[in-house]
Amino acid sequence: QSVLTQPPSASGTPGQTVTISCSGSNSNIGDNTVSWFQQLPGTAPTLLIYSDNQRPSGVPDRFSASKSGTSASLAISGLQSEDEADYFCATWDDSLNGFYVFGTGTKVTVL
Amino acid sequence: QVQLQESGPGLVKPSETLSLTCNVSARSINPYYWSWVRQPPGKGLEWIGYVYYRGSTKYNFSLKSRVTISMDKSQRQLSLKLTSVAAADTAVYYCARGVGTLVPTTYDIWGQGTMVTVSS
Repeated sequence: QSVLTQPPSASGTPGQTVTISCSGSNSNIGDNTVSWFQQLPGTAPTLLIYSDNQRPSGVPDRFSASKSGTSASLAISGLQSEDEADYFCATWDDSLNGFYVFGTGTKVTVL
Repeated sequence: QVQLQESGPGLVKPSETLSLTCNVSARSINPYYWSWVRQPPGKGLEWIGYVYYRGSTKYNFSLKSRVTISMDKSQRQLSLKLTSVAAADTAVYYCARGVGTLVPTTYDIWGQGTMVTVSS
């Protein structure tokens, strides 16, 4: 059972902005940087955001992220059909001798 | 271009040991956290653990008693062994490269994944 909670689903029409939340605690989001991963259907996850709000080269600036306290969020603006995927937040958790933890995941549907 | 490629048996019997390898095509394994992550069918991602390039390891507390992760630096081959498997260990297993200083703060390169089914 993940300690990072995300809404199971989110949706929007092309061009809209979709926002996904990720709720954690002081031992994870509150104390460590957050990453976001995109998983297209049938493929491996890929890094979308690291260090709370940094995009790797090649990731469109339509994807943005922020963090405040023990919560983080990912925004997808100008939603496109190819954005339909599962999105996971993730971070290190300092409890239980330390471990990396992924969020529960959010399925984004483009209507 | 760093690439990771998992391989291993797709079917393992209950109570036996699951063994996977991941070939790392990279000029250097330094200074990364070479890790395994799994994903049961239709479910989320679960971190299994890592071996740091210097040799130290850390495992998910829920799997710690059954898992061993190691790295053959000369062969650039990452390995995973999971003992006493059960149906709940059925998943796609990914190897991934962790980046960070004291701990992995993100995973920037992932393998394509290999499906392992535990069944008699």
